[in-house]
Amino acid sequence: TQLLEQSPQFLSIQEGENLTVYCNSSSVFSSLQWYRQEPGEGPVLLVTVVTGGEVKKLKRLTFQFGDARKDSSLHITAAQPGDTGLYLCAGEGNSGYALNFGKGTSLLVTP
Amino acid sequence: SAVISQKPSRDICQRGTSLTIQCQVDSQVTMMFWYRQQPGQSLTLIATANQGSEATYESGFVIDKFPISRPNLTFSTLTVSNMSPEDSSIYLCSVTTGADYTFGSGTRLTVV
Repeated sequence: TQLLEQSPQFLSIQEGENLTVYCNSSSVFSSLQWYRQEPGEGPVLLVTVVTGGEVKKLKRLTFQFGDARKDSSLHITAAQPGDTGLYLCAGEGNSGYALNFGKGTSLLVTP
Repeated sequence: SAVISQKPSRDICQRGTSLTIQCQVDSQVTMMFWYRQQPGQSLTLIATANQGSEATYESGFVIDKFPISRPNLTFSTLTVSNMSPEDSSIYLCSVTTGADYTFGSGTRLTVV
């Protein structure tokens, strides 16, 4: 199993602050995905990064895939209470279609 | 993206009983997956359900405990058998079309 280490596990910040979540592995992934999950719902895909060094932006969210395709980061600028949720990184390995998930980062943004 | 209807959304069950969770997809998909998630924690893959063949189980999960059916390309069930309080968790199904992954809204199971 290709393990994904995600940090921090918990993050509580005030509205307007910036934050970065990290997803690291010793394994190479063909792609990495970031999901956000709210209570009572399944994870919802935010972005997929495929190319080493790739940077993708989704409004105030910036996603980066490491050059070696072993790590990724999610940066949120000027966080808002609506960003509150569980953020999960997941990797699709080279040998199968099932996703391996990181442990998740529980983000709380207070007004 | 595919749309998944997962039922039930939650249930409270007596220990020793079994619960079957259903996932219906609005399109034909080859790969379906079943995950378990402790509240506030990440997802752990239980098994991959392929139509026309036996499900493939991950380490720590066995068919006798978590039998899976996949009668066609749009439907699958996961049964949690002979339940104990340790089985209390959220169970989710997922599908991929190759381009992306979609998840059901989950079944929150409490075993008392």
